Amino acid sequence: ILNVEQSPQSLHVQEGDSTNFTCSFPSSNFYALHWYRWETAKSPEALFVMTLNGDEKKKGRISATLNTKEGYSYLYIKGSQPEDSATYLCALWYDMRFGAGTRLTVKP
Amino acid sequence: GAGVSQTPSNKVTEKGKYVELRCDPISGHTALYWYRQSLGQGPEFLIYFQGTGAADDSGLPNDRFFAVRPEGSVSTLKIQRTERGDSAVYLCASSIDWGDEQYFGPGTRLTVT
Repeated sequence: ILNVEQSPQSLHVQEGDSTNFTCSFPSSNFYALHWYRWETAKSPEALFVMTLNGDEKKKGRISATLNTKEGYSYLYIKGSQPEDSATYLCALWYDMRFGAGTRLTVKP
Repeated sequence: GAGVSQTPSNKVTEKGKYVELRCDPISGHTALYWYRQSLGQGPEFLIYFQGTGAADDSGLPNDRFFAVRPEGSVSTLKIQRTERGDSAVYLCASSIDWGDEQYFGPGTRLTVT
């Protein structure tokens, strides 16, 4: 993997469903991975900065894991709510490369 | 406290004109970043400042793009001889230091006609 790739591109879930999506990145020369949430008409908002292999971070119903050896991070949302609807971006640090994002829509 | 602000919020200009986009970061943040975001894509890195100096300008697409941060706070992104392909949302972000979580501004939507 040469670029930062996110999958799926978009996701529609029902309120209350749990969901997860993936950020894949080149595993060589890893420094840090950032996750951001970007709601429509707002600025991207930082969720997590992850640096260590095996890191797990949690903020409310959202959590993330990191595997630097195989080059991926998962973002999990437990019990999705309509207000979770946003585009979720990951960014590989050192060279500030963003993925294209996963657009999540939570239907009430 | 005040977040990152960007002005103008929207800018429409004619092809060939010069534009300046301004970013006012959070006070005390030494790192400042400029990104460009096109529809359906993630933010594309343009340039990063540490204090007053451009620590990494490898993302600037060509020499029509230039950015300054003369006093280590406000930054201006300057685009000469604008082209239609420059149309995008230009995002600015700041962080306490390089690598820390970034705080983004609302962006400037540039449209070149």
